[in-house]
Amino acid sequence: QSVLTQPPSASGTPGQRVTISCSGSSSNIATNIVNWYQQLPGTAPKVLIYNNNQRPSGVPDRFSGSKSGTSASLAISGLQSEDEADYYCAAWDDSLVRDVFGTGTKVTVL
Amino acid sequence: EVQLVESGGGLVQPGGSLRLSCVASGFTFSRYDIHWVRQSTGRGLEWVAAIGTAGDTYYSGSVQGRFIISRENAKSSLFLQMNSLRAEDTAVYYCARKYCSNSYCVYDMWGQGTMATISS
Repeated sequence: QSVLTQPPSASGTPGQRVTISCSGSSSNIATNIVNWYQQLPGTAPKVLIYNNNQRPSGVPDRFSGSKSGTSASLAISGLQSEDEADYYCAAWDDSLVRDVFGTGTKVTVL
Repeated sequence: EVQLVESGGGLVQPGGSLRLSCVASGFTFSRYDIHWVRQSTGRGLEWVAAIGTAGDTYYSGSVQGRFIISRENAKSSLFLQMNSLRAEDTAVYYCARKYCSNSYCVYDMWGQGTMATISS
């Protein structure tokens, strides 16, 4: 069902850098901005990165976003235990004429 | 406090109906497009429907003709009338505010979600 593909899981030890990929197509990521949402256990999603690489106030600069071609990435540097969550990318799709979400990646801090 | 609060979820049999509500507070509700996004275990996050500030409505193909989105600005409220429900409609339903600037749009506020379970 999801149009954007993410790895199902990622993990690292405290302090490590973790990168999550988001693969799309010419109708979504290639031509539109990408947003990233963090969903902590038992809570609603919240915006983590918007407009490809912008952080809302209050989001630590450990989180960064990038985009190239039909793919986007979210990087978490200096991984912390409170970063254990599900992460979703999202973009507008010009062909489907609606927002599409990634399959989601569960980040585990070992 | 700036927030969105959903209600109305529950257990209903296939073919039945549910009406979800979302009440906003702390911001001028009428100035924003508001969306419904659902999340099920097997299907992740899925956009369902949206209503613009002028009352224009949009639906995903999977709910078109069965769901109706509406809003009552005077009460800062959003609704989702769900009819002819199917097992695959089982999900947590979130209302989300969509903020748009000149160069981007983002779901910048989400409610806590309400669970709809379709089962006999």
